[in-house]
Amino acid sequence: NAGVTQTPKFQVLKTGQSMTLQCAQDMNHNSMYWYRQDPGMGLRLIYYSASEGTTDKGEVPNGYNVSRLNKREFSLRLESAAPSQTSVYFCASSEKSSGRALDEQYFGPGTRLTVT
Amino acid sequence: AQSVAQPEDQVNVAEGNPLTVKCTYSVSGNPYLFWYVQYPNRGLQFLLKYITGDNLVKGSYGFEAEFNKSQTSFHLKKPSALVSDSALYFCAVRDLAGRRALTFGSGTRLQVQP
Repeated sequence: NAGVTQTPKFQVLKTGQSMTLQCAQDMNHNSMYWYRQDPGMGLRLIYYSASEGTTDKGEVPNGYNVSRLNKREFSLRLESAAPSQTSVYFCASSEKSSGRALDEQYFGPGTRLTVT
Repeated sequence: AQSVAQPEDQVNVAEGNPLTVKCTYSVSGNPYLFWYVQYPNRGLQFLLKYITGDNLVKGSYGFEAEFNKSQTSFHLKKPSALVSDSALYFCAVRDLAGRRALTFGSGTRLQVQP
């Protein structure tokens, strides 16, 4: 199993350009997440998807949109990139088992995005 | 809203010595607490979690964490540090709004000197 995969690994954008970050998991997990990591701030939740067809805003959703394409894939789109969106982006997934949420999240390797 | 604090940006310890990485939390109700480790240019890896039960939780790579409800702390510990333990460590608490997303601390860099 590949676990959680993310593409691309690196990306440089100019202000105002758009792009989509792709994420896929092969663990049959229901829940998927997008975080951004900035120095000294830990990881902050951008969007969350509890299951296929549902999405919910996290702590820092402004400037982003998401699509839960199917159970495996959860994409993050920047419609008009800004320098403040320079960050490392992580996708994660998790599953619920035996009536209790396991909450153990599995993370992808990250996408390093620079907006100039 | 819940929050997590990691008061130390960096912890330095000599190889073979015990290590502690501190974490305090603030939540309404019972906390679900986690520790993750991040090696350079990698995603986060799960180390251990506290949901309920024994206050001392054992995890991967010889790490353990002690839950202390009265002090609202969940410190990460290891009896004997290895150089390979050098990494960035994150404490996290589960979102109690039912989303199962995590709120992370700012991270503590552990440096183990040979």
